[in-house]
Amino acid sequence: EAQVTQNPRYLITVTGKKLTVTCSQNMNHEYMSWYRQDPGLGLRQIYYSMNVEVTDKGDVPEGYKVSRKEKRNFPLILESPSPNQTSLYFCASSFYRTEAEAFFGQGTRLTVV
Amino acid sequence: SQQGEEDPQALSIQEGENATMNCSYKTSINNLQWYRQNSGRGLVHLILIRSNEREKHSGRLRVTLDTSKKSSSLLITASRAADTASYFCATQNYGGATNKLIFGTGTLLAVQP
Repeated sequence: EAQVTQNPRYLITVTGKKLTVTCSQNMNHEYMSWYRQDPGLGLRQIYYSMNVEVTDKGDVPEGYKVSRKEKRNFPLILESPSPNQTSLYFCASSFYRTEAEAFFGQGTRLTVV
Repeated sequence: SQQGEEDPQALSIQEGENATMNCSYKTSINNLQWYRQNSGRGLVHLILIRSNEREKHSGRLRVTLDTSKKSSSLLITASRAADTASYFCATQNYGGATNKLIFGTGTLLAVQP
């Protein structure tokens, strides 16, 4: 089954404790991205990757890091989480071409206390 | 950055009625896509309309696009309780080197049985 898998689904952590949210896709997609969703703001792109070892900042990259060492995986790293990073996070993937439909993971609800 | 807004923010209708949601965007686009999100879960692609198309159908969905007004509408006919979800429009512009989707703020649709 074609899917994007994120883990964990729910995470409560304390300020400053490094964490990683994993994302994996099985569709051989080149393009992967991370979004955060906040009430009234819709989805905003954090980082994206066009292929292995190619990543770039989205609209709200501050406080986040990513890596793309393999085509299927695109982890999101919060080196020192802060309460303003409490949000619902989504990983998405698609083929890198025009008119590409994006496939989304089920989301990770992160709370930073 | 947000591309635009959706209207209304929330919509409540009875089963069997039609639901219409509108999306406005700010910049030129190559295509516009609609996604559905069930409460707190990942987004699912519904339909894509190209900038040179004016109307597109898929099952009970009808999408229109008016590039002169920078707006789109999604019509769901004969709605069902299972259509209860948030609906987002997202635009793509290939001016940059990305597959970037820019999302609206969404419309929350509640279909009462």
